[in-house]
Amino acid sequence: DIQMTQSPSSVSASVGDRVTITCRASQDISSWLAWYQQKPGKAPNLLIYAASSLQSGVPSRFSGGASGTDFTLTISSLQPEDFATYYCQQANSFPYTFGQGTKLEIK
Amino acid sequence: EVQLVESGGGLVKPGGSLRLSCAASGFTFRSYAMNWVRQAPGKGLEWVSSISGHTGYIYYADSVKGRFTISRDNAKNSLYLQMNSLSAEDTALYFCARVNQLRENYGMDVWGQGTTVTVSS
Repeated sequence: DIQMTQSPSSVSASVGDRVTITCRASQDISSWLAWYQQKPGKAPNLLIYAASSLQSGVPSRFSGGASGTDFTLTISSLQPEDFATYYCQQANSFPYTFGQGTKLEIK
Repeated sequence: EVQLVESGGGLVKPGGSLRLSCAASGFTFRSYAMNWVRQAPGKGLEWVSSISGHTGYIYYADSVKGRFTISRDNAKNSLYLQMNSLSAEDTALYFCARVNQLRENYGMDVWGQGTTVTVSS
């Protein structure tokens, strides 16, 4: 199975900050990586698919990048509604696997 | 409105069974592969199972293989998860989710609100 290692597990930041979350795949997954945002008690919300494609309706302050087996989610200027937990997911092959999550907290 | 609504969760004893349902509306259900994803209390997301639009493929996580069965009824716009031999480790919020833009590689764009399964004596 493909292991997805996300870092950091938590991060504190302020409104207006730029934040980057990293996800590393244990093997080649091409560009088949998705990023989700999840708020407490809610279902995940798809932000980015195919590593760098912005899902319809998602603000442009969210962006995704890739270099080999390393993937990034960047929020360019944090807004109050962005404080949540973020997950990466490889969609290259079954079994799908998620990263362990990154909790983004208000500093 | 595109919507997924899960039902069928509840409290069940270890070794028991439960059948989850997911009712889809607002889109051409038969065209989309569908997934079950679960989240144990206070934990991360875990993919459980996937089924293609026309039952061309079915996949399971190793943790549920041989105990869970995914199925769908395209005439009823419904997805199911039959769960047998349940253990405490299966306690979780279970989500159904649709693949994004008909592409299994594009993540999951529509999720239900989840249904809670609690396995306890």
